[in-house]
Amino acid sequence: GDSVTQMEGPVTLSEEAFLTINCTYTATGYPSLFWYVQYPGEGLQLLLKATKADDKGSNKGFEATYRKETTSFHLEKGSVQVSDSAVYYCALSSGGSYIPTFGRGTSLIVHP
Amino acid sequence: EAGVTQFPSHSVIEKGQTVTLRCDPISGHDNLYWYRRVMGKEIKFLLHFVKESKQDESGMPNNRFLAERTGGTYSTLKVQPAELEDSGVYFCASGRGFWNEQFFGPGTRLTVL
Repeated sequence: GDSVTQMEGPVTLSEEAFLTINCTYTATGYPSLFWYVQYPGEGLQLLLKATKADDKGSNKGFEATYRKETTSFHLEKGSVQVSDSAVYYCALSSGGSYIPTFGRGTSLIVHP
Repeated sequence: EAGVTQFPSHSVIEKGQTVTLRCDPISGHDNLYWYRRVMGKEIKFLLHFVKESKQDESGMPNNRFLAERTGGTYSTLKVQPAELEDSGVYFCASGRGFWNEQFFGPGTRLTVL
């Protein structure tokens, strides 16, 4: 079945550092890929998505590129802020399903 | 526009007791979803309502879980009797259509002792 693997956290960074959160997937066909973010006390929010190979999703300074050859969708941001502290979930949907398959989440802590 | 709300935010119960979780979707969203995240594991789909009808309940773990959505508005998820392995965070989400973005609530953290 489909699955998503993301790096374990927590990831702890200083403000303005570069962020990478790795995500790889296993899926049949050509899935759509997503990153969700959950800020403390809030629900998950869709951060960005990509629907086909080589697409780049971007939002709020975050980017992720759909790499079919490496089955990856790594999340990056050039300069993190304290307000980016949250849990980040990589997810996919495939085979005509509208229900996302999630990874385990990666906690990001950014210190001033 | 108010977001998805869930009640309670936390619940601690003894094994064998009953707990009911509530989800209020965004007004006008016919689609309502329940998910669960067990500690250290992935968020897993439980079921999907379209209005008051169950569209897909393939993720419900067993018959101790009962979900309802009377009148197509809010939904409840009852666990009876609760077991230790039911502990986790239960998320609700709502959306306008199958392929539209799902908006998630903050979750209910359930602890079964």
